[in-house]
Amino acid sequence: NAGVTQTPKFRVLKTGQSMTLLCAQDMNHEYMYWYRQDPGMGLRLIHYSVGEGTTAKGEVPDGYNVSRLKKQNFLLGLESAAPSQTSVYFCASTEYPGELFFGEGSRLTVL
Amino acid sequence: QQQVKQSPQSLIVQKGGISIINCAYENTAFDYFPWYQQFPGKGPALLIAIRPDVSEKKEGRFTISFNKSAKQFSLHIMDSQPGDSATYFCAASINSGNTPLVFGKGTRLSVIA
Repeated sequence: NAGVTQTPKFRVLKTGQSMTLLCAQDMNHEYMYWYRQDPGMGLRLIHYSVGEGTTAKGEVPDGYNVSRLKKQNFLLGLESAAPSQTSVYFCASTEYPGELFFGEGSRLTVL
Repeated sequence: QQQVKQSPQSLIVQKGGISIINCAYENTAFDYFPWYQQFPGKGPALLIAIRPDVSEKKEGRFTISFNKSAKQFSLHIMDSQPGDSATYFCAASINSGNTPLVFGKGTRLSVIA
Protein backbone atom coordinates (compact mmCIF):
# COMPACT_ATOMS: atom_id res chain seq x y z
CA ASN A 1 0.00 0.00 0.00
CA ALA A 2 1.18 3.49 -0.86
CA GLY A 3 -0.64 5.02 2.13
CA VAL A 4 -0.72 8.80 1.78
CA THR A 5 0.93 10.26 -1.32
CA GLN A 6 1.62 13.95 -1.81
CA THR A 7 2.50 15.63 -5.10
CA PRO A 8 4.60 17.54 -5.86
CA LYS A 9 7.33 16.97 -3.28
CA PHE A 10 9.11 20.23 -4.08
CA ARG A 11 7.96 23.41 -5.75
CA VAL A 12 9.29 26.94 -6.13
CA LEU A 13 6.79 29.69 -6.87
CA LYS A 14 6.98 33.39 -7.48
CA THR A 15 4.83 35.73 -5.43
CA GLY A 16 1.35 35.89 -6.88
CA GLN A 17 1.46 32.56 -8.69
CA SER A 18 -1.08 29.87 -7.98
CA MET A 19 -0.66 26.17 -7.44
CA THR A 20 -2.40 23.07 -6.15
CA LEU A 21 -1.02 20.38 -3.87
CA LEU A 22 -2.56 16.96 -4.28
CA CYS A 23 -2.99 14.43 -1.52
CA ALA A 24 -4.12 10.91 -2.32
CA GLN A 25 -4.80 8.10 0.15
CA ASP A 26 -5.56 4.48 -0.62
CA MET A 27 -6.81 3.45 2.83
CA ASN A 28 -10.44 4.47 2.30
CA HIS A 29 -10.18 6.93 5.19
CA GLU A 30 -13.01 9.36 5.84
CA TYR A 31 -10.95 12.13 7.45
CA MET A 32 -8.24 14.08 5.69
CA TYR A 33 -6.13 17.04 6.82
CA TRP A 34 -3.67 19.60 5.56
CA TYR A 35 -1.01 20.89 7.97
CA ARG A 36 1.88 23.24 7.54
CA GLN A 37 5.11 22.86 9.47
CA ASP A 38 7.39 25.78 10.18
CA PRO A 39 10.46 25.89 12.46
CA GLY A 40 9.44 26.40 16.08
CA MET A 41 5.74 26.44 15.19
CA GLY A 42 4.97 22.75 15.14
CA LEU A 43 2.16 21.40 12.97
CA ARG A 44 -0.62 23.86 12.30
CA LEU A 45 -3.89 22.75 10.77
CA ILE A 46 -4.90 24.60 7.60
CA HIS A 47 -8.10 22.84 6.50
CA TYR A 48 -9.63 19.45 7.01
CA SER A 49 -12.41 17.21 5.73
CA VAL A 50 -14.60 14.74 7.59
CA GLY A 51 -15.85 13.07 4.44
CA GLU A 52 -16.26 13.35 0.69
CA GLY A 53 -17.69 16.72 -0.28
CA THR A 54 -16.99 18.34 3.11
CA THR A 55 -14.34 20.83 4.16
CA ALA A 56 -13.71 22.88 7.29
CA LYS A 57 -11.26 25.57 8.37
CA GLY A 58 -8.43 24.85 10.72
CA GLU A 59 -6.15 27.13 12.68
CA VAL A 60 -4.49 28.94 9.74
CA PRO A 61 -6.85 28.82 6.72
CA ASP A 62 -6.25 32.27 5.23
CA GLY A 63 -4.76 32.23 1.74
CA TYR A 64 -5.66 28.59 1.13
CA ASN A 65 -8.60 26.75 -0.37
CA VAL A 66 -9.38 23.04 -0.41
CA SER A 67 -11.62 20.57 -2.17
CA ARG A 68 -12.63 16.97 -1.47
CA LEU A 69 -14.50 15.91 -4.58
CA LYS A 70 -13.41 12.30 -4.25
CA LYS A 71 -13.00 10.41 -0.99
CA GLN A 72 -9.42 9.45 -1.74
CA ASN A 73 -8.20 12.93 -2.75
CA PHE A 74 -7.80 16.18 -0.84
CA LEU A 75 -6.51 19.19 -2.77
CA LEU A 76 -4.89 22.27 -1.25
CA GLY A 77 -4.83 25.39 -3.40
CA LEU A 78 -2.91 28.63 -3.15
CA GLU A 79 -4.59 31.24 -5.33
CA SER A 80 -1.94 33.95 -4.97
CA ALA A 81 1.18 32.68 -3.25
CA ALA A 82 2.97 34.87 -0.71
CA PRO A 83 6.44 34.46 0.84
CA SER A 84 4.72 33.77 4.20
CA GLN A 85 3.40 30.56 2.66
CA THR A 86 6.90 29.15 2.30
CA SER A 87 6.64 26.01 4.39
CA VAL A 88 6.52 22.25 4.40
CA TYR A 89 2.99 21.00 3.87
CA PHE A 90 1.80 17.67 5.20
CA CYS A 91 -1.34 15.82 4.33
CA ALA A 92 -2.75 13.22 6.70
CA SER A 93 -5.70 10.86 6.81
CA THR A 94 -7.44 8.69 9.37
CA GLU A 95 -10.42 6.43 9.68
CA TYR A 96 -11.41 8.22 12.88
CA PRO A 97 -10.00 11.29 14.60
CA GLY A 98 -6.74 10.59 16.43
CA GLU A 99 -4.42 8.17 14.68
CA LEU A 100 -3.16 10.08 11.68
CA PHE A 101 -1.24 8.67 8.74
CA PHE A 102 0.97 11.36 7.20
CA GLY A 103 2.43 11.79 3.76
CA GLU A 104 6.10 12.62 3.33
CA GLY A 105 5.50 16.32 2.82
CA SER A 106 5.61 18.92 0.07
CA ARG A 107 8.26 21.60 0.41
CA LEU A 108 7.09 24.90 -1.04
CA THR A 109 9.23 28.00 -1.50
CA VAL A 110 7.65 31.28 -2.51
CA LEU A 111 10.11 33.88 -3.78
CA GLN B 1 -4.66 29.94 21.44
CA GLN B 2 -2.32 27.05 21.99
CA GLN B 3 -4.17 24.26 23.70
CA VAL B 4 -1.22 21.89 24.14
CA LYS B 5 2.04 23.25 25.53
CA GLN B 6 5.15 21.16 24.98
CA SER B 7 8.57 21.44 26.57
CA PRO B 8 11.47 21.53 26.12
CA GLN B 9 11.87 22.82 22.58
CA SER B 10 15.11 20.90 22.21
CA LEU B 11 16.84 18.19 24.21
CA ILE B 12 20.28 16.62 24.13
CA VAL B 13 20.70 13.29 25.88
CA GLN B 14 23.65 10.94 26.21
CA LYS B 15 23.31 7.48 24.72
CA GLY B 16 21.79 5.19 27.31
CA GLY B 17 20.16 8.04 29.20
CA ILE B 18 16.50 8.85 29.75
CA SER B 19 14.78 11.42 27.53
CA ILE B 20 11.77 13.16 29.04
CA ILE B 21 9.38 15.42 27.13
CA ASN B 22 6.46 17.10 28.85
CA CYS B 23 3.09 18.36 27.65
CA ALA B 24 0.27 20.21 29.34
CA TYR B 25 -3.25 20.74 28.07
CA GLU B 26 -6.16 22.98 28.99
CA ASN B 27 -9.27 21.39 27.51
CA THR B 28 -10.64 18.82 29.98
CA ALA B 29 -12.72 17.31 27.19
CA PHE B 30 -9.59 15.86 25.57
CA ASP B 31 -9.64 12.09 25.86
CA TYR B 32 -6.93 10.89 23.50
CA PHE B 33 -3.25 11.76 23.83
CA PRO B 34 -0.85 10.48 21.15
CA TRP B 35 2.82 11.10 20.57
CA TYR B 36 4.23 11.36 17.07
CA GLN B 37 7.82 10.87 15.97
CA GLN B 38 9.25 12.63 12.94
CA PHE B 39 12.59 11.95 11.28
CA PRO B 40 14.18 14.58 9.01
CA GLY B 41 12.57 14.68 5.59
CA LYS B 42 9.71 12.41 6.63
CA GLY B 43 6.17 12.86 7.82
CA PRO B 44 5.28 12.31 11.48
CA ALA B 45 4.29 8.80 12.51
CA LEU B 46 2.33 7.62 15.51
CA LEU B 47 4.65 6.38 18.24
CA ILE B 48 2.41 5.67 21.21
CA ALA B 49 -0.91 6.91 22.57
CA ILE B 50 -2.83 6.90 25.83
CA ARG B 51 -6.37 7.49 27.02
CA PRO B 52 -7.12 9.09 30.41
CA ASP B 53 -8.47 5.92 31.98
CA VAL B 54 -4.89 4.76 32.61
CA SER B 55 -1.97 6.59 34.19
CA GLU B 56 0.81 4.92 32.25
CA LYS B 57 1.37 3.05 29.01
CA LYS B 58 4.58 1.35 28.01
CA GLU B 59 5.70 0.08 24.62
CA GLY B 60 9.27 -1.14 24.61
CA ARG B 61 11.56 1.72 25.65
CA PHE B 62 8.79 4.30 25.28
CA THR B 63 6.43 5.17 28.15
CA ILE B 64 3.66 7.72 28.44
CA SER B 65 2.85 8.96 31.94
CA PHE B 66 -0.50 10.69 32.34
CA ASN B 67 -1.64 12.92 35.21
CA LYS B 68 -5.29 13.77 34.72
CA SER B 69 -5.61 16.07 37.74
CA ALA B 70 -2.61 18.14 36.65
CA LYS B 71 -3.65 17.98 32.98
CA GLN B 72 -0.17 16.87 32.04
CA PHE B 73 1.36 13.97 30.19
CA SER B 74 4.91 13.07 29.35
CA LEU B 75 6.97 10.80 27.12
CA HIS B 76 9.89 8.91 28.61
CA ILE B 77 12.44 7.22 26.36
CA MET B 78 14.53 4.78 28.32
CA ASP B 79 18.03 3.76 27.22
CA SER B 80 17.98 6.48 24.55
CA GLN B 81 19.78 5.60 21.32
CA PRO B 82 21.17 7.74 18.48
CA GLY B 83 18.42 6.28 16.29
CA ASP B 84 15.87 7.96 18.55
CA SER B 85 17.13 11.37 17.40
CA ALA B 86 14.03 12.96 15.89
CA THR B 87 11.37 15.55 16.55
CA TYR B 88 8.61 14.46 18.89
CA PHE B 89 5.14 15.96 18.97
CA CYS B 90 2.53 15.48 21.65
CA ALA B 91 -1.10 15.93 20.69
CA ALA B 92 -4.59 15.77 22.08
CA SER B 93 -8.10 15.37 20.76
CA ILE B 94 -11.68 14.57 21.64
CA ASN B 95 -11.71 11.15 20.09
CA SER B 96 -15.46 10.70 20.07
CA GLY B 97 -16.09 13.72 17.88
CA ASN B 98 -14.95 15.23 14.64
CA THR B 99 -12.45 17.59 16.23
CA PRO B 100 -8.94 17.37 14.76
CA LEU B 101 -5.81 16.64 16.74
CA VAL B 102 -4.17 19.63 18.41
CA PHE B 103 -0.38 19.37 18.33
CA GLY B 104 2.29 20.74 20.62
CA LYS B 105 5.11 22.67 18.98
CA GLY B 106 7.52 19.76 19.04
CA THR B 107 10.75 18.78 20.75
CA ARG B 108 13.91 18.13 18.78
CA LEU B 109 15.76 15.28 20.49
CA SER B 110 19.42 14.60 19.84
CA VAL B 111 20.95 11.50 21.36
CA ILE B 112 24.74 11.69 21.35
CA ALA B 113 27.18 8.85 21.82
